[in-house]
Amino acid sequence: GESVGLHLPTLSVQEGDNSIINCAYSNSASDYFIWYKQESGKGPQFIIDIRSNMDKRQGQRVTVLLNKTVKHLSLQIAATQPGDSAVYFCAENISQSGAGSYQLTFGKGTKLSVIP
Amino acid sequence: KAGVTQTPRYLIKTRGQQVTLSCSPISGHRSVSWYQQTPGQGLQFLFEYFSETQRNKGNFPGRFSGRQFSNSRSEMNVSTLELGDSALYLCASTPTPGRDYGYTFGSGTRLTVV
Repeated sequence: GESVGLHLPTLSVQEGDNSIINCAYSNSASDYFIWYKQESGKGPQFIIDIRSNMDKRQGQRVTVLLNKTVKHLSLQIAATQPGDSAVYFCAENISQSGAGSYQLTFGKGTKLSVIP
Repeated sequence: KAGVTQTPRYLIKTRGQQVTLSCSPISGHRSVSWYQQTPGQGLQFLFEYFSETQRNKGNFPGRFSGRQFSNSRSEMNVSTLELGDSALYLCASTPTPGRDYGYTFGSGTRLTVV
């Protein structure tokens, strides 16, 4: 089964409000997580990452929180703008073969719609 | 700095045919991974190449194959196409495999099998 999943498939927020997108993971050995944004017709775009030795990491208008106890990630977007409308994916980067090879395991994604 | 380049952007093929997709990673990136994206299954890992060697392979049939050249450019091939192979195929590059770097994705190749 899938290791990473999302709680909400769609999220609508008013422009200027804060957005919170959640993600659950099941692999307790996962130690590196990435959030991606995918706009229509484009590939996923890196937003922010976090390692398991951190609980919180901030970027420009974005914050990622990691709760290892309940295996939960969240992406917070401050002052959401129309340009933030996209599908957001969480992914964990884990070693599969143990031979120094890694792969991203993605959640299903959450579609964020910003209401002007 | 040029991003990850995938060609072609769009492709229409007939069942039973084979197809080859190309990916040029960011200059200096030596690891290339391929993903398939469909509405039903989401983003799924196909394989990863580093230094011209396939390091890891996802749960896909043998019809899906790939290779990497000495300049790090990569190709993936799908033989005997099936309708279910219709998808967006994404390539991602990173300097070296591991947890120290994020992956940069290309815009993908949209494959339609009819």
